[in-house]
Amino acid sequence: GAGVSQSPSNKVTEKGKDVELRCDPISGHTALYWYRQSLGQGLEFLIYFQGNSAPDKSGLPSDRFSAERTGGSVSTLTIQRTQQEDSAVYLCASSLNPSDTQYFGPGTRLTVL
Amino acid sequence: RKEVEQDPGPFNVPEGATVAFNCTYSNSASQSFFWYRQDCRKEPKLLMSVYSSGNEDGRFTAQLNRASQYISLLIRDSKLSDSATYLCVVTQGGGADGLTFGKGTHLIIQP
Repeated sequence: GAGVSQSPSNKVTEKGKDVELRCDPISGHTALYWYRQSLGQGLEFLIYFQGNSAPDKSGLPSDRFSAERTGGSVSTLTIQRTQQEDSAVYLCASSLNPSDTQYFGPGTRLTVL
Repeated sequence: RKEVEQDPGPFNVPEGATVAFNCTYSNSASQSFFWYRQDCRKEPKLLMSVYSSGNEDGRFTAQLNRASQYISLLIRDSKLSDSATYLCVVTQGGGADGLTFGKGTHLIIQP
């Protein structure tokens, strides 16, 4: 079956612009996760959705970051007024239920010039 | 946040050798444990779950020591294709509170 998909695969933007990243989880997976991985670094947890609600937003780096999930499926991560330090690979993962195996999408490589 | 610690390496190992590395976690309430593999510029992929009784999958053996709060991964007869970063994942269960990834151990298998 189809895995987790993310779009765009690459995004280059100018400092100060807003960007929107999309994640399409595996069908039927109730849990969805966003992570960020900077070059040579580990995965940084950003936010988690159970259904459409996000019980834990504490990982979002700043108030420029927001995320939503609608219909218990697709999620978007929005970064407003991008900064150069936002450059990273943004990974999305989904799991059937919380704490089940997570399956990752290919990521979106964001470059802020 | 709860911490998961791994030796970042790199571990340089000749092809055919056996290599082992550990991961320690600080939260004694952790419930689920996994090893993920991440190739350069790729997404992490599940390698194996880790059970208290230990589990083996071909050349890979994972073990959990709850008393000492560490997880190990053993790779026998290493192949060039085993070169990757191995991520330790620890969860509490029931939500994102316990989702913690280690920074990974970088393994290089040399011909």
